[in-house]
Amino acid sequence: DAGVTQSPTHLIKTRGQQVTLRCSPISGHKSVSWYQQVLGQGPQFIFQYYEKEERGRGNFPDRFSARQFPNYSSELNVNALLLGDSALYLCASSLGLVSYNEQFFGPGTRLTVL
Amino acid sequence: DAKTTQPPSMDCAEGRAANLPCNHSTISGNEYVYWYRQIHSQGPQYIIHGLKNNETNEMASLIITEDRKSSTLILPHATLRDTAVYYCISSPKGSSNTGKLIFGQGTTLQVKP
Repeated sequence: DAGVTQSPTHLIKTRGQQVTLRCSPISGHKSVSWYQQVLGQGPQFIFQYYEKEERGRGNFPDRFSARQFPNYSSELNVNALLLGDSALYLCASSLGLVSYNEQFFGPGTRLTVL
Repeated sequence: DAKTTQPPSMDCAEGRAANLPCNHSTISGNEYVYWYRQIHSQGPQYIIHGLKNNETNEMASLIITEDRKSSTLILPHATLRDTAVYYCISSPKGSSNTGKLIFGQGTTLQVKP
């Protein structure tokens, strides 16, 4: 079975630009979460969506936004990129409801902001 | 901030049991203990979780103390492929949960030949 997929794998942007990252959850999973992982740190929670509704938001500025589509795939958008946004962006899916915390992570998108 | 504390690093000989401790002294009654691991350059991988009873699956065993203030993840026969950062996370389960996992620094486990 296919796991969580993310695209693109790597991305290089310059300061001030905008970026869109994409995630496809495991088939049957209705919940998607996004995390940012800076080098040397554990992942930091950004958003969680279930059934197309935002259910949780981490301590990130409004430059970060996300949405979930009817097929449960998701996009993470980051506007006005800063150098500090350089990180590995991870998407995780779960069945939802009582299984939110049993999350299956994708390989991540490595974003470099120059 | 993470609500758990773990040693920053540990070594284990290949084939021996790896015992990874975690302190969660402020854990609430409705919070479960979850363990994830992250092998270099990959996304985190769910290992196991528990509330108060010991749990075992094909990957590991989880031992939670009776007062629930600490736990130990046991990899019974560590292999080189178990070298990874191991994260211990406490989080509520069910409708009160928003799917927010708070990762700390984790324990870097180095399995040596």
